[in-house]
Amino acid sequence: EAGVTQFPSHSVIEKGQTVTLRCDPISGHDNLYWYRRVMGKEIKFLLHFVKESKQDESGMPNNRFLAERTGGTYSTLKVQPAELEDSGVYFCASSQAGRFNEQFFGPGTRLTVL
Amino acid sequence: ELKVEQNPLFLSMQEGKNYTIYCNYSTTSDRLYWYRQDPGKSLESLFVLLSNGAVKQEGRLMASLDTKARLSTLHITAAVHDLSATYFCAFQGGSEKLVFGKGTKLTVNP
Repeated sequence: EAGVTQFPSHSVIEKGQTVTLRCDPISGHDNLYWYRRVMGKEIKFLLHFVKESKQDESGMPNNRFLAERTGGTYSTLKVQPAELEDSGVYFCASSQAGRFNEQFFGPGTRLTVL
Repeated sequence: ELKVEQNPLFLSMQEGKNYTIYCNYSTTSDRLYWYRQDPGKSLESLFVLLSNGAVKQEGRLMASLDTKARLSTLHITAAVHDLSATYFCAFQGGSEKLVFGKGTKLTVNP
């Protein structure tokens, strides 16, 4: 069974540009989460989808970040326009339907904003 | 708001030695996770601890949870080089989101 995949693995962009990150969860997982680790800091929660609905987006830093999960399958996280402080590793995780099921993580996308 | 303090942040140890990583958390937690991450790889789940006094062991790693002290520990016994990685504790308290510690980068030297 394929795990959580993320694309791209690395992205280097200039301040003010737009970047879109993609996450493909484990097939059949209703729950999808985005997390971010900024250099030297904790991994922090961004948001949680249940199927195509945003269950909790309390961790989204500001309105430059837009997450979507059309059709309840893969998800995208767009940053527009990117700022220097957006640099970090963006992780996606998925879990089976229901509450408090184990979250399986992808390898992350390393975003560098110059 | 649930907050997590993990220490140490860096740990360099000799093969064969024992050591403990600590995670303190600030409020009631439903469950506790320990993850391992190798460079450039996913976070791999090691343990899930659900109740006070829970102890789980896998190989040279043993995790425990003390909900009264709001403390979880990851104990490493007779470390080997293959255990070199970054270890994270993470808590869930009242919602699905995981709240992570800063991670402990473990280096085991021959």
